[in-house]
Amino acid sequence: DTEVTQTPKHLVMGMTNKKSLKCEQHMGHRAMYWYKQKAKKPPELMFVYSYEKLSINESVPSRFSPECPNSSLLNLHLHALQPEDSALYLCASSLLVGSYEQYFGPGTRLTVT
Amino acid sequence: QKEVEQNSGPLSVPEGAIASLNCTYSDRGSQSFFWYRQYSGKSPELIMSIYSNGDKEDGRFTAQLNKASQYVSLLIRDSQPSDSATYLCAMTRLGNEKLTFGTGTRLTIIP
Repeated sequence: DTEVTQTPKHLVMGMTNKKSLKCEQHMGHRAMYWYKQKAKKPPELMFVYSYEKLSINESVPSRFSPECPNSSLLNLHLHALQPEDSALYLCASSLLVGSYEQYFGPGTRLTVT
Repeated sequence: QKEVEQNSGPLSVPEGAIASLNCTYSDRGSQSFFWYRQYSGKSPELIMSIYSNGDKEDGRFTAQLNKASQYVSLLIRDSQPSDSATYLCAMTRLGNEKLTFGTGTRLTIIP
């Protein structure tokens, strides 16, 4: 089983709202990732967690705040977003960081109005 | 020069034929290579991984890696309309936690 789940599937939020995206995996993976994908572009890495600790932040604006409460869960807290933040947000996991296969969740389609 | 280059397509292939997707890369330290399939509006799905030179077959899919020439390719035999998607080439290098993607090739299988 290589399933990564994400909720919600769709989210519409105003620029003053606070919302959270959730990601879960039960494969025993110890690396989890957040990506952002715009139309007709490849996924763009945002954050990497390894053993529940943040190991990479790709200079993401502070209005995006990641959290890894335990080895199975990954959250992305959103606050004061801009319309240009509208995109598909993808969570992925791999056994460990490095040259391991990454498995993506179905994504959350975010629209900022 | 981009780190990972793919022909953006669209690549049109008749049903039942072999589809050939190519990817070249500039970083000689690249170590592990992956092919993802992405249907429109969906998330990327891992279909092949390859780590050493040569061919790796899985069903109708064959990945080919040539580190000396710095290319990796994906062959799809007996192409089906359901294979129509964007194919993303991706890779990692030793000691780097990042997956570097190409821009993707859009493949259309013509019935």
